[in-house]
Amino acid sequence: AQSVTQLDSHVSVSEGTPVLLRCNYSSSYSPSLFWYVQHPNKGLQLLLKYTSAATLVKGINGFEAEFKKSETSFHLTKPSAHMSDAAEYFCVVSDWVYNFNKFYFGSGTKLNVKP
Amino acid sequence: EAGVAQSPRYKIIEKRQSVAFWCNPISGHATLYWYQQILGQGPKLLIQFQNNGVVDDSQLPKDRFSAERLKGVDSTLKIQPAKLEDSAVYLCASSPWGREKLFFGSGTQLSVL
Repeated sequence: AQSVTQLDSHVSVSEGTPVLLRCNYSSSYSPSLFWYVQHPNKGLQLLLKYTSAATLVKGINGFEAEFKKSETSFHLTKPSAHMSDAAEYFCVVSDWVYNFNKFYFGSGTKLNVKP
Repeated sequence: EAGVAQSPRYKIIEKRQSVAFWCNPISGHATLYWYQQILGQGPKLLIQFQNNGVVDDSQLPKDRFSAERLKGVDSTLKIQPAKLEDSAVYLCASSPWGREKLFFGSGTQLSVL
């Protein structure tokens, strides 16, 4: 079965500094990987998605993630944090099981952005 | 395009009471998911429907939880009787069949006292 590990439960950065949220996955083949964001009292929103077309994936709001098969990682980055980026971020891997798509969520990383 | 609708937004009940949550997915989405998100954890899949059939309910506590998706459209998740550990946000998501993208509702926050 697929699984994801988010290496940090909390990350705190200053506004204007880079963001790095780490995710490692386990998979027996090339997976589809996603990052979702959840703002307080809001639903989960897709940030970006990797499906083997390109290893560097650009998402919304200036976020991007790089798929590294050798390291089984899919870390999320942003060059310059904004206050509005404060939220919880989930790394997700998907798997096709008996012709149905299943999604496996990591435990989440809370991003705090300091003024 | 209307999003995934869920109600109620919040619910507070006492243990051993029953509660029901409703979800209306995006029109035309064949797959519907119910997730449980306990504070500090990632969403955990409770049940997955393909149209009106269940394709995965392996993590649904069937002694107290039930769910249905009549006519393959909206869905209801019920807990009876509720326990303290059921306090969580219950998220509904939908997806077009074959598409690797989840569309989430805003969730129902349940507090069991």
